[in-house]
Amino acid sequence: SYDLTQAPSVSVSPGQTASITCSGDKLGEKYASWYQQKPGQSPVLVIYQDTKRPSGIPERFSGSNSGNTATLTISGTQAMDEADYYCQTWDSSTYVVFGGGTKLTVL
Amino acid sequence: EVQLLESGGGLVQPGGSLRLSCAASGFTFSRYVMNWVRQAPGKGLEWVSSISGSGADTFYADSVKGRVTISRDNSKNTLYLQMNSLRAEDTAVYFCARDISGSAYQFEHWGQGTLVTVSS
Repeated sequence: SYDLTQAPSVSVSPGQTASITCSGDKLGEKYASWYQQKPGQSPVLVIYQDTKRPSGIPERFSGSNSGNTATLTISGTQAMDEADYYCQTWDSSTYVVFGGGTKLTVL
Repeated sequence: EVQLLESGGGLVQPGGSLRLSCAASGFTFSRYVMNWVRQAPGKGLEWVSSISGSGADTFYADSVKGRVTISRDNSKNTLYLQMNSLRAEDTAVYFCARDISGSAYQFEHWGQGTLVTVSS
């Protein structure tokens, strides 16, 4: 099976840059996506195909993916960005895989 | 506007069955792979199953393979998930999800979810 590993929690001060990482074997050779989920709500796609933002997602959200690590970067983090973030990829053998999620706290 | 509306969740005893539905609107349903993703209480997201636009190809997570069947009715713009031999660990909110245009298995559109509780 294919696994994606995320840190359980990340903290950031308002206005600073938050980096959330996702690790998997040769992840850089696959596409990575990122989802934001606030309590009681459905997930929201914030990054797809490693670096692309869907319509309506603020520019402060960006992504990268190389080697074994994909990274979601939130620049100028706002209180409204506090949420759980999940990485996700697709593999031909195990199909769709999600990371365990990272809780972002904006202190 | 893309809309996905799940229904069919509820309380079921272990070993029981349930069929979930997802009514889609706002896009050409038959052109898209459709997916089910679940989330156990307080836990992360878990992919369950996907089905091609025509319905000819289906894919399942190992955790549900043999107990779950995904299907679709393109004439009704509806996605289904038939769940049998349900276990306590199947308790979760089940979301249907649609890919972002032009990029498979990256889910831009989600329903609000339907809660399945497996308990005696």
